[in-house]
Amino acid sequence: GEDVEQSLFLSVREGDSSVINCTYTDSSSTYLYWYKQEPGAGLQLLTYIFSNMDMKQDQRLTVLLNKKDKHLSLRIADTQTGDSAIYFCAERKWGSQGNLIFGKGTKLSVKP
Amino acid sequence: EAGVTQFPSHSVIEKGQTVTLRCDPISGHDNLYWYRRVMGKEIKFLLHFVKESKQDESGMPNNRFLAERTGGTYSTLKVQPAELEDSGVYFCASSQEQGQETQYFGPGTRLLVL
Repeated sequence: GEDVEQSLFLSVREGDSSVINCTYTDSSSTYLYWYKQEPGAGLQLLTYIFSNMDMKQDQRLTVLLNKKDKHLSLRIADTQTGDSAIYFCAERKWGSQGNLIFGKGTKLSVKP
Repeated sequence: EAGVTQFPSHSVIEKGQTVTLRCDPISGHDNLYWYRRVMGKEIKFLLHFVKESKQDESGMPNNRFLAERTGGTYSTLKVQPAELEDSGVYFCASSQEQGQETQYFGPGTRLLVL
C-alpha cells in the first residue's frame, strides 16, 4: 500500500468542526505535517508534530497523533469558507535527508 | 522576507521540447528540494540540494531530468525532451538547516506537455 493515505474528499457546513484523517506506515517517522493548498497557490505549512507528542493545538487547529495505530488527524474548529482547500498529510522518516512523503491530499469543501 | 519563488508559474509545451524551471529559495537557506505532483497522485520527492551539492536524487524519474544549483543559490530543473507523463505541478521547497523540521514551499510551476 501507499506510505501515507488520506480520504480524498470531505464536506462540512460552515461553523462545524472538520476532521481530516491520515494513516502512515512507517513507525520510524520523526515529524508529521499538515500542509494546506488553496486553489492556484502553493503549499502552506499549517502545523507539524514531533513523533513523541500525541497532541498539538494551535488556535483553531488540533493535531492528534496515535503512534500505535499510525494515525494522524487534523481538526479544524469553527470551519470557515476560507478553509476550503486541499490538505496534505506528510511524514519525514528517521534517517532521511529531510525529504517528505506526502499523501494524495484531502479536498475540504465548506458549505455556507 | 521573500518566500520561495518559482518561475514560470505555468508552462505549456509540446512533447519533445525542452523546459527549464527555476526556483529561488528563501535567502540563506542551504537546503533546496524539488517535488512533483502528477494529476491525482501524491506529491513525490525528486531531489535535495545542500548548497550546490546534490544530497539525494533518488526521486528523479529518469535521465531526461537535470537539476542544477550552481553557486548554491537558485536552482533549475530542466526536462529534455519532455514527455506527456511529465505533466504536473513542480514544487520547490527550502529549509535553513538539514533536518530542520520546516520546509517552506513555493507556489509551484504547472507544466503541461501536449
